[in-house]
Amino acid sequence: KNQVEQSPQSLIILEGKNCTLQCNYTVSPFSNLRWYKQDTGRGPVSLTIMTFSENTKSNGRYTATLDADTKQSSLHITASQLSDSASYICVVTDGYKLSFGAGTTVTVRA
Amino acid sequence: EAGVVQSPRYKIIEKKQPVAFWCNPISGHNTLYWYRQNLGQGPELLIRYENEEAVDDSQLPKDRFSAERLKGVDSTLKIQPAELGDSAVYLCASSLQTGDREQYFGPGTRLTVT
Repeated sequence: KNQVEQSPQSLIILEGKNCTLQCNYTVSPFSNLRWYKQDTGRGPVSLTIMTFSENTKSNGRYTATLDADTKQSSLHITASQLSDSASYICVVTDGYKLSFGAGTTVTVRA
Repeated sequence: EAGVVQSPRYKIIEKKQPVAFWCNPISGHNTLYWYRQNLGQGPELLIRYENEEAVDDSQLPKDRFSAERLKGVDSTLKIQPAELGDSAVYLCASSLQTGDREQYFGPGTRLTVT
């Protein structure tokens, strides 16, 4: 069973709208949680990294939250742009091994 | 600073043929990873190198997959013979060291086995 579950599997939003992606994990012990953006045909690129003590971190229009008690994280995209169309992957590490979620595919339409 | 370089970007082969992928990590990065990513899935680790030593190859199908990292810099991943189920994107990543260090991914090699 995958230790990192993401939802929804995919979503379509209109340009300018906001959206939120979810990540639930069971990885233990917990070291940090990362959100990656993967454009089609490209490798993943890091958006945010959060440790146990951090509950929110922003990178431009991307804001990630972390609730280490409930083992949940979210990635919020504000005022979406066409270039936000990509797969967003949640990755949790125990400090040694990375566990990847299957990703959420976001499609932004004009 | 140059990122992780991979080649080829795309490869189409017939089943039972051999294939090799090449990766050049970011300069100074001691740790190198090979991942396989199936369509609609997250990457799965195949092998991790610390310098020239393979320290985690538990997920590498050793009957047909092999990898090497001579001199602890660039690396080659080989499949021989390829099977239809090997069709995937093969990603290479590197980091300064293992653990919490940021991993930087290459663009991947998309393999199609027909």
